[in-house]
Amino acid sequence: NAGVTQTPKFRILKIGQSMTLQCTQDMNHNYMYWYRQDPGMGLKLIYYSVGAGITDKGEVPNGYNVSRSTTEDFPLRLELAAPSQTSVYFCASSMEGPYNEQFFGPGTRLTVL
Amino acid sequence: QKEVEQNSGPLSVPEGAIASLNCTYSDRGSQSFFWYRQYSGKSPELIMSIYSNGDKEDGRFTAQLNKASQYVSLLIRDSQPSDSATYLCAVNPRLSTDFGNEKLTFGTGTRLTIIP
Repeated sequence: NAGVTQTPKFRILKIGQSMTLQCTQDMNHNYMYWYRQDPGMGLKLIYYSVGAGITDKGEVPNGYNVSRSTTEDFPLRLELAAPSQTSVYFCASSMEGPYNEQFFGPGTRLTVL
Repeated sequence: QKEVEQNSGPLSVPEGAIASLNCTYSDRGSQSFFWYRQYSGKSPELIMSIYSNGDKEDGRFTAQLNKASQYVSLLIRDSQPSDSATYLCAVNPRLSTDFGNEKLTFGTGTRLTIIP
């Protein structure tokens, strides 16, 4: 199993550009999550999904959109990139169940200039 | 009040000693607790999970949970330089089978440095 994979690893965007961060998991997990982590800070939840076709906002959703058309994929869309979106983005997944052990992808380092 | 609090450190521990990392949480109904290790520039890696009061041991790692006092700790015995990392505490406020509670709340992490 590859686990959780993310592409790209690095990206530089200009202000106002858009992009999609890709996330795929091969563990047949129902739950998937997008976090951002700013330098020296903890993880902040952007969006999450409990299954195909079901998504919900986390604590910092503004400026982002998600979709979940399959169990495996959970892309994160940035529209009109802003310098405040410079961060490291992590995708995670977990099984449906009482304990919610989350497993993380390697991350995407995004810089908006 | 932060929901999950950790001392940000840095915590410096001599090689071979015991490193003790602490975490407190505010939601008394919290059900599951996790410790993640994050090396600089890498993603968080799950190293311990604990669901019941008491101790849980896995190799050199021991997680301790005290729900009455609302704290969870991680002990690392025989600390090695490779243990130098940031350790994140995460809490699930409810069983994730409760709809709307499928999320973890993370602390900001404690940076641990093992001194050779």
